[in-house]
Amino acid sequence: KNEVEQSPQNLTAQEGEFITINCSYSVGISALHWLQQHPGGGIVSLFMLSSGKKKHGRLIATINIQEKHSSLHITASHPRDSAVYICAAKGGGSQGNLIFGKGTKLSVKP
Amino acid sequence: SQTIHQWPATLVQPVGSPLSLECTVEGTSNPNLYWYRQAAGRGLQLLFYSVGIGQISSEVPQNLSASRPQDRQFILSSKKLLLSDSGFYLCAWSVFGRTYEQYFGPGTRLTVT
Repeated sequence: KNEVEQSPQNLTAQEGEFITINCSYSVGISALHWLQQHPGGGIVSLFMLSSGKKKHGRLIATINIQEKHSSLHITASHPRDSAVYICAAKGGGSQGNLIFGKGTKLSVKP
Repeated sequence: SQTIHQWPATLVQPVGSPLSLECTVEGTSNPNLYWYRQAAGRGLQLLFYSVGIGQISSEVPQNLSASRPQDRQFILSSKKLLLSDSGFYLCAWSVFGRTYEQYFGPGTRLTVT
C-alpha cells in the first residue's frame, strides 16, 4: 500500500461542475502539498498546508490531520483546469522529503 | 525572485549512451536540491537530494548518479543508459531547512531507445 493514496485516478467533469480530489496518507506529516502538472509536464505548487483550509481563487484545499486526509476542491471548473493533480506529503527523516501520490488526471469538458 | 532552470527540455538517447542533465537555481543561496523521476504511468519518485556542495544522498539504487559542483548547480548523470531510465526528470529546490515547500523546474523528458 502506498503511503499517499489519491482518488479518483481519473476524473471527467463538465465545465462549471464542482470537483473534489481526495488524498489519504499513512505517514505522520508536518505538511502536505497539492501540485498541478500540465500536459507538457511542468509542475506548479498550488498549496502547502499543515492544518485547516486554504483558498486561492477557485481552488480550495483542506486537511484533517487526525483523519490523515486532505481534499482539493475546484469550484466552477473550466477546461483550463484540465491537468494532473498530485498530492505530496512530507515524509519522515530529517530531510523530510516529499512522498507523492500517483496523481488524479482531471479532464474538464466544455 | 527565485528561478530554476533545467536543460535540455527533451532528449532522445540510445541504450548504453551517457547522460548529463543540468539544473541551476537563481536568486537564492544554499538551497536544498532534489532530482525526481516520473516514469510513464507512475508517480514522482525522489532520486537524489543535496543539502550542500558535494553532499548527495541517494534514495533509490540505480545506474544514475548526481553531483553538486556549485551551490546552485545540480547535475544528474549516467555512464550507460537503460531503457528503464526513460521518463520525465524534474529538479526542485527548497529553502534550506524547509524541505516541505519545494519549487519545481520545467523538467526534462528523456526517451531511451
